[in-house]
Amino acid sequence: AQSVSQHNHHVILSEAASLELGCNYSYGGTVNLFWYVQYPGQHLQLLLKYFSGDPLVKGIKGFEAEFIKSKFSFNLRKPSVQWSDTAEYFCALEAAGNKLTFGGGTRVLVKP
Amino acid sequence: GAVVSQHPSRVICKSGTSVKIECRSLDFQATTMFWYRQFPKQSLMLMATSNEGSKATYEQGVEKDKFLINHASLTLSTLTVTSAHPEDSSFYICSASTSGTRSTDTQYFGPGTRLTVL
Repeated sequence: AQSVSQHNHHVILSEAASLELGCNYSYGGTVNLFWYVQYPGQHLQLLLKYFSGDPLVKGIKGFEAEFIKSKFSFNLRKPSVQWSDTAEYFCALEAAGNKLTFGGGTRVLVKP
Repeated sequence: GAVVSQHPSRVICKSGTSVKIECRSLDFQATTMFWYRQFPKQSLMLMATSNEGSKATYEQGVEKDKFLINHASLTLSTLTVTSAHPEDSSFYICSASTSGTRSTDTQYFGPGTRLTVL
């Protein structure tokens, strides 16, 4: 069975700081990987996804993620965060059957 | 963009009663809908996958007789929590997909329904 692990449960940083959220997965086959964001009071939105090709994926709002197959990782990065990036971030894996397995989520608080 | 709505957004009910939650795709036809459950400070756990016109597929450990899912049309799926108990209190989220293939980028999430069972 597949699993997704997000190492940081809470992250607090100041505006303009750089952000990196860790995500590791466990699955022996081909995977599709996703990062979703949930802003306070809103529904889940897709930030970016990796299916194949260039392992460095660029998403919306200045976010990017790098797929490192040898490390089973798909870390999310943003060079300079804004207060509006305060949200909960979920890494997810699709292994088969169009079903998503989510990580535990990371709550990010950006202080103005 | 594609919009998925859920109704109600919040519901409080007494133990032993049944609660129905609706999930609608507003501007597209959803071949597949997914139901998730999210406990406080935890991640989303997939409960079941429903395809229009067929029986839902439940994940291991999810009681199909307790969580009844109906996907009667391409724009509506319902989740009924039967004989609800306090431990069923949770945040229920649906998502809708336009495809039954591996293109999960077409999975759109609803805003969720907060169920509180007293």
